[in-house]
Amino acid sequence: SYELTQPPSVSVSPGQTARITCSGDALPKQYTYWYQQKPGQAPVLVMYKDSERPSGIPGRFSGFSSGTTVTLIISGVRAEDEADYYCQSGDTSGTSNVVFGGGTKLTVL
Amino acid sequence: QVELVESGGGLVKPGGSLRLSCAASGFTFSDNYISWIRQAPGKGLEWISYISSSGSSTYHADSVKGRFTISRDNAKNSLYLQMNSLRAEDTAVYYCARQQLPAYFDYWGQGTLVTVSS
Repeated sequence: SYELTQPPSVSVSPGQTARITCSGDALPKQYTYWYQQKPGQAPVLVMYKDSERPSGIPGRFSGFSSGTTVTLIISGVRAEDEADYYCQSGDTSGTSNVVFGGGTKLTVL
Repeated sequence: QVELVESGGGLVKPGGSLRLSCAASGFTFSDNYISWIRQAPGKGLEWISYISSSGSSTYHADSVKGRFTISRDNAKNSLYLQMNSLRAEDTAVYYCARQQLPAYFDYWGQGTLVTVSS
């Protein structure tokens, strides 16, 4: 089955730039979406169609796509950005499958 | 504002059944696809089912196919998930989420916990 691969964890100091990657063979042909989930809360969409930011999401969040890897970039990381981040896409098998990555725990040191 | 509120979770024995509901408000419910997504304790997200805006088209992941059925009542702005033959591995928080095309989720409910245990 189709998979999206994320690093289990990323750590950065406040004010630095965090880069969270998501890799998958179908990503050149599919859009990728990103969700932020804080403990005990529902996920929140923070990026759609690779690099589009929903209203209300701070400008320090951006997205970049290159080949089979898509990257969520958080510039000037704040303590409040500490959360789990999940990428999501679809495969190309035509079955309408939605696929989530395994998630990345962002720790703000 | 868009709001999705799940209900119906609880403790159920293996092999049992449960019906989850999701009440929607703040948007034209009948214009949108809606999905169920679950998250086992300490685990990642798993999409399990979607239903088209009219209800004419549904899809279920292999992990729940034949056991779970998604449905909706647009007159009541409500989404449902009928869960039968429940297994321990179905234990999770179940979220309903508004789906935008091609397939992503812009609003999520707060989730309802389903625990399958004897």
